[in-house]
Amino acid sequence: AQTVTQSQPEMSVQEAETVTLSCTYDTSENNYYLFWYKQPPSRQMILVIRQEAYKQQNATENRFSVNFQKAAKSFSLKISDSQLGDTAMYFCASEDGNQGGKLIFGQGTELSVKP
Amino acid sequence: DAGVTQSPTHLIKTRGQQVTLRCSPKSGHDTVSWYQQALGQGPQFIFQYYEEEERQRGNFPDRFSGHQFPNYSSELNVNALLLGDSALYLCASSFERYGQFFGPGTRLTVL
Repeated sequence: AQTVTQSQPEMSVQEAETVTLSCTYDTSENNYYLFWYKQPPSRQMILVIRQEAYKQQNATENRFSVNFQKAAKSFSLKISDSQLGDTAMYFCASEDGNQGGKLIFGQGTELSVKP
Repeated sequence: DAGVTQSPTHLIKTRGQQVTLRCSPKSGHDTVSWYQQALGQGPQFIFQYYEEEERQRGNFPDRFSGHQFPNYSSELNVNALLLGDSALYLCASSFERYGQFFGPGTRLTVL
């Protein structure tokens, strides 16, 4: 079975600084996708970034980028120039199957951005 | 363009009752997935609907059932509610493999 592990339950960062959230996963699939989602205190889950496993290039979305290490099954999220609005729970997730199936989520990392 | 919408926002039920939650997908999306999120945990997959059929199912009992309509909207039904069913229920819609987009959720409390 697929598993996703986030080993940092809580992290904090000063505004304008950079922070990296860790995620490891385990899958037997060859064709899979990885995601980072953000869930602010208002609770709506927001898609932050998406990585296709067959692509070598790391995905980037503005201040958010990933470090995808396929052999190590590691998928970390880097947030640059942290802003107060980045304060949220961050979930790493993998999507299994060839048809776009269920998301398997990690336990989450609660990030606090301090002024 | 409206995103994923869910109704109701909050719901309070008693043990043994039945509940129906509703979801309208984002425009252009044809697949709807349902997740249960307990407090402080990551969401757990319940099931996914595509072309009005259940395509995948997680480890949830048959008390949890669903439906997808021709306009792609979906319902989640839970029968014989237990205290442990209290959670945030999230609906997510998607098109192919471009990522699942979540609604604001329905907070279900079972007393």
